[in-house]
Amino acid sequence: DTEVTQTPKHLVMGMTNKKSLKCEQHMGHRAMYWYKQKAKKPPELMFVYSYEKLSINESVPSRFSPECPNSSLLNLHLHALQPEDSALYLCASSPEGNEQYFGPGTRLTVT
Amino acid sequence: GESVGLHLPTLSVQEGDNSIINCAYSNSASDYFIWYKQESGKGPQFIIDIRSNMDKRQGQRVTVLLNKTVKHLSLQIAATQPGDSAVYFCAEGDENRDDKIIFGKGTRLHILP
Repeated sequence: DTEVTQTPKHLVMGMTNKKSLKCEQHMGHRAMYWYKQKAKKPPELMFVYSYEKLSINESVPSRFSPECPNSSLLNLHLHALQPEDSALYLCASSPEGNEQYFGPGTRLTVT
Repeated sequence: GESVGLHLPTLSVQEGDNSIINCAYSNSASDYFIWYKQESGKGPQFIIDIRSNMDKRQGQRVTVLLNKTVKHLSLQIAATQPGDSAVYFCAEGDENRDDKIIFGKGTRLHILP
C-alpha cells in the first residue's frame, strides 16, 4: 500500500457540531501531518506527529484537536468551528521528515 | 514558453513546448527542495526533489535546477502535455527545522491546444 487515504472526501457541518477527519497510511512512515489549504493558496501546516507524538503545533486554535492512535492513523477532531475554517484539509506522511506524501484531502464546509 | 518572472501566478504554454516554472526562496539554511503538482480537487503530488549539494536533477520529462547563489529553483517540463495542467508548488526544508517544509505561492500551468 503506497498511498495516504483520507475520509470523508466531503464534510458539511454546523458551527455547533463535533466531527472528525481521518487519515491512514500503511507505508511505515514515522511522521504524519495535517495541513489546511484555502482556495488558490499553498497548504499551511497545522500539526506534525513524529513517532506518534505531537512534535509541532503551529498555534492552531483549540477547536482543532489532533490525535494519533497508532503509527498508521491520524485523526483531526473538530468542534465549534467557524465558517472561515472551511477549507481543504490535507493529511501527509513522510518516512524521514522532508519528502511528504499527501492524501486527497477532505473538503470541509462549515455552515 | 518560459515564465518571465518569479512568482508568476499563471503560465500558459503551447502543448508540446517546454515549460519552465520558477521559484524563489529566502532561507539560506534551506537544504532540501521539492516540487509538487496539484490537480484540481486532489492533494499535492510529489514530482521531484533536490538537495543543496546538487545543482540539477532529472526525472522523467522533468528537470529541477537549483541556484543557491541567488536562492532560485526552477522546474522544467519537457514536451508539455494536457495532463500537465495543474498548480505547481515549490517547497523548502532545512535540517534545523525537522519535519517542516515551507510551501511557495504556486504557479498555475495552463496548456494551450
